[in-house]
Amino acid sequence: QVRLVESGGGVVQPGRSLRLSCAASGLTFSSYGMHWVRQAPGKGLEWVAVVSSDGNTQYYEDSVKGRFTISRDNYKNMLYLEMSGLRAEDTAVYYCAKEGFAAAVYAFDLWGQGTMLTVSS
Amino acid sequence: EIVLTQSPATLSLSPGERATLSCRASQSVRSNLAWYQQKPGQAPRLLIYDASKRATGIAARFSGSGSGTDFTLTVSSLEPEDFAVYYCQHRGHWPPGATFGQGTKLEI
Repeated sequence: QVRLVESGGGVVQPGRSLRLSCAASGLTFSSYGMHWVRQAPGKGLEWVAVVSSDGNTQYYEDSVKGRFTISRDNYKNMLYLEMSGLRAEDTAVYYCAKEGFAAAVYAFDLWGQGTMLTVSS
Repeated sequence: EIVLTQSPATLSLSPGERATLSCRASQSVRSNLAWYQQKPGQAPRLLIYDASKRATGIAARFSGSGSGTDFTLTVSSLEPEDFAVYYCQHRGHWPPGATFGQGTKLEI
């Protein structure tokens, strides 16, 4: 079964760090770029970061640049998001999402169920 | 930076009716436009990619059209399970980041 499963969310204090993980199964993980997308409570979707299929290229949304680091382990079929300097506005459900194939490469054809991060003192 | 503007914010319709949702880009995105459906407590689900291609397993009542700056998602005859929030999304080759519209809530 093709799936993505996020973990690592929780409640953290402002300024602290946390790492989110996304476990992929049932797919050739190393063939696809992977993204993190977040959704604040009651709000819309916000793209956060992308890592290329080989892990060599990363790109970030401006508000997380310098604070978040996206990475992957293609041997373990894992995607990560290291977050530091957390702020209240980072509170959201964080989804990992997989790029599609061929004509669908610019879309996200597989999503995890999400993991909730709450930043609060 | 490309901005996607969806309209209307909320669309109130009944089962069996036709729904037409709009997404306008601040500059041309060619056909690099996708549509997603999201139900409460669930992850988004890809409906349409490349502006008009249905994703695997998506019902034929969903169709997408448009290119350049103006795009439309049409649901030909609404089923009860179609009432949800719909997002459009663009991503190009470079920069590789994505942009989402603010969403349209389709309600009964």
